[in-house]
Amino acid sequence: DAGITQSPRHKVTETGTPVTLRCHQTENHRYMYWYRQDPGHGLRLIHYSYGVKDTDKGEVSDGYSVSRSKTEDFLLTLESATSSQTSVYFCAISESSNGELFFGEGSRLTVL
Amino acid sequence: RKEVEQDPGPFNVPEGATVAFNCTYSNSASQSFFWYRQDCRKEPKLLMSVYSSGNEDGRFTAQLNRASQYISLLIRDSKLSDSATYLCVVNPRGYIPTFGRGTSLIVHP
Repeated sequence: DAGITQSPRHKVTETGTPVTLRCHQTENHRYMYWYRQDPGHGLRLIHYSYGVKDTDKGEVSDGYSVSRSKTEDFLLTLESATSSQTSVYFCAISESSNGELFFGEGSRLTVL
Repeated sequence: RKEVEQDPGPFNVPEGATVAFNCTYSNSASQSFFWYRQDCRKEPKLLMSVYSSGNEDGRFTAQLNRASQYISLLIRDSKLSDSATYLCVVNPRGYIPTFGRGTSLIVHP
């Protein structure tokens, strides 16, 4: 299995608090992605990165920011969490721009 | 039209049956295609890539039809363990893999 870990795996927080999810990889892959998965919507891309300090928005980026200061870490931040951001968040990595994705185990976030 | 569309199912089949799923995509510039499997409350895992000439891996066969812009997955001799959600992924030129919503398969005894 690809070396990719997400933390925390589970988090419950209150509306208005900041939350940071971490994705860490040991594969030295260039591309990293954050998706959220909700019933009826499937996996939707939030942000992605194509290198250190190189990031771009995905389909559902409002309310989220990301940072990638090192190849191995990709952070997803919710500046002020809302109940609509309750979801399962998956990080994925890829060696090339059109290659297969490898996923972390997911982070389940509940915003009360 | 959504970029990638799948019939959500569920497809409910007996063990030993053959079942096929299709996935249509809208971007004709799409370059790479994959099928993923996702078990309940788990992360998606790569099942197989889809090549232009079609490819097979054991009981699974994937095909690409560029003219009609769809990919397909055929599962022969279904097993109980094949019960899962099957996601298609289409990657247009660039960095943005796009997922279908998934097709649910239930294999019953």
